[in-house]
Amino acid sequence: QVQLVESGGGVVQPGKSLRLSCAASGFTFSYFGMHWVRQAPGKGLEWVAFVSHDGSNRYYADSVKGRFTVSRDNSENTLYLQMNSLKVEDTAVYYCAKVMVRGVLDYWGQGTLVTVSS
Amino acid sequence: QSALTQPASVSGSPGQSITISCTETSSDVGGYNFVSWYQHHPTKAPRLLIYDVSKRPSGISNRFSGSKSGNTASLTISGLQPEDEAHYYCTSYTTSSTSVVFGGGTTLTVL
Repeated sequence: QVQLVESGGGVVQPGKSLRLSCAASGFTFSYFGMHWVRQAPGKGLEWVAFVSHDGSNRYYADSVKGRFTVSRDNSENTLYLQMNSLKVEDTAVYYCAKVMVRGVLDYWGQGTLVTVSS
Repeated sequence: QSALTQPASVSGSPGQSITISCTETSSDVGGYNFVSWYQHHPTKAPRLLIYDVSKRPSGISNRFSGSKSGNTASLTISGLQPEDEAHYYCTSYTTSSTSVVFGGGTTLTVL
């Protein structure tokens, strides 16, 4: 069955960096685009970033553009989110999600918590 | 402000039906025939309920149905059950198809 397992979350100071990982299994990872979505405490879901199946196309929310980089290693079935220059407002649970078709996210991970605090 | 507007909360009793609306408020949201709905229980992974306005993925109960009229999509849950108590989000994607837009979310309370 499809499994997505995020890791790499933790507590980090403002201005620092963190890299999240999402280990995928149960499907042919290299065939599908992947998204990162986050949920800040007490808030709704917010789209963060997208990478196409082969990594050639990447898109970002305005709130993270220039600071976050999404990438993937299809040989390792792993998705990444490199987060630099972190801000307090980046505090959230970060989910990775698999694309079924054009913007439809059919499988999600359980999420990993990132807390940005001094 | 989200380009997709949902009511903050709805409620219903077990066995009843409820409907959650999702209204497009931005011209940046294109292809509104591609609305999806997700259920999210706190501390769990969100779950896809409906895509392309009214299609159900395999394994989703037919108690969940989707529809659209004009610029408003709707999710209907019939035969409410206690486990339906959760947050519900509609999504679409931008005209450039480069991002996913989430509605603000609706909290469903089963009384």
